[in-house]
Amino acid sequence: DIQMTQSPSSLSASVGDRVTITCRASQTINNYLNWYQQKPGKAPKVLIYAASMLRDGVPTRFSGSGSGTEFTLSISSLQPEDSGNYYCHQSYGSLTWTFGQGTKIEIK
Amino acid sequence: EVQVVESGGGLVQPGGSLRLSCVASGFTFSNYWMTWVRQGPGKGLEWVANIKGDEIEKYYMRSAKGRFTISRVNAENSLYLQINNLRAEDTAVYYCARILYSPYNNCPLIDYWGQGTQVTVSS
Repeated sequence: DIQMTQSPSSLSASVGDRVTITCRASQTINNYLNWYQQKPGKAPKVLIYAASMLRDGVPTRFSGSGSGTEFTLSISSLQPEDSGNYYCHQSYGSLTWTFGQGTKIEIK
Repeated sequence: EVQVVESGGGLVQPGGSLRLSCVASGFTFSNYWMTWVRQGPGKGLEWVANIKGDEIEKYYMRSAKGRFTISRVNAENSLYLQINNLRAEDTAVYYCARILYSPYNNCPLIDYWGQGTQVTVSS
């Protein structure tokens, strides 16, 4: 199975800061990498798919990059509503998927 | 409007069984792969199983094989997850969700999620 290592597990940043979350796959995943945001008590919501494609309706301060085994999610200017948990998700691997462990973003 | 609504969760004793249901609307159900994802209390997301639109292909997380069965009835726009021999570590919110294949590079993503149904395994 493909393992996903996500870091950091949590971060605290101020409004306006640029933040970056990293996900590393245990083998190449052909850019089949998605990012989700989850608010407490709610279902996740996709932000970025195919490593770098912004989902319709998602603010442009969110961006994704990377290829092969290293991927990043960046928020260019952190907003109060961006607090929550973020997960990477590999959808390669013969349809046996894995999620990263998650990153909790807190606003200072 | 696309909607998926889960039901069937509850409190079950260890060793018991449960069948989770999900009803979809707002799209042609039989054309889409569907998935179950779970989230234990205070934990991250864990993928459980996927099923193709025609039910021919099914995939499970390694630890699900033998106890979990994903199925669907397209005529009823319904998705199911049968869980047998429930263990305490199966306690989680179980989400039903739709899989979309990106037109960009055919990357699968989860685009619509239900609100989840709580399964608690305890004596």
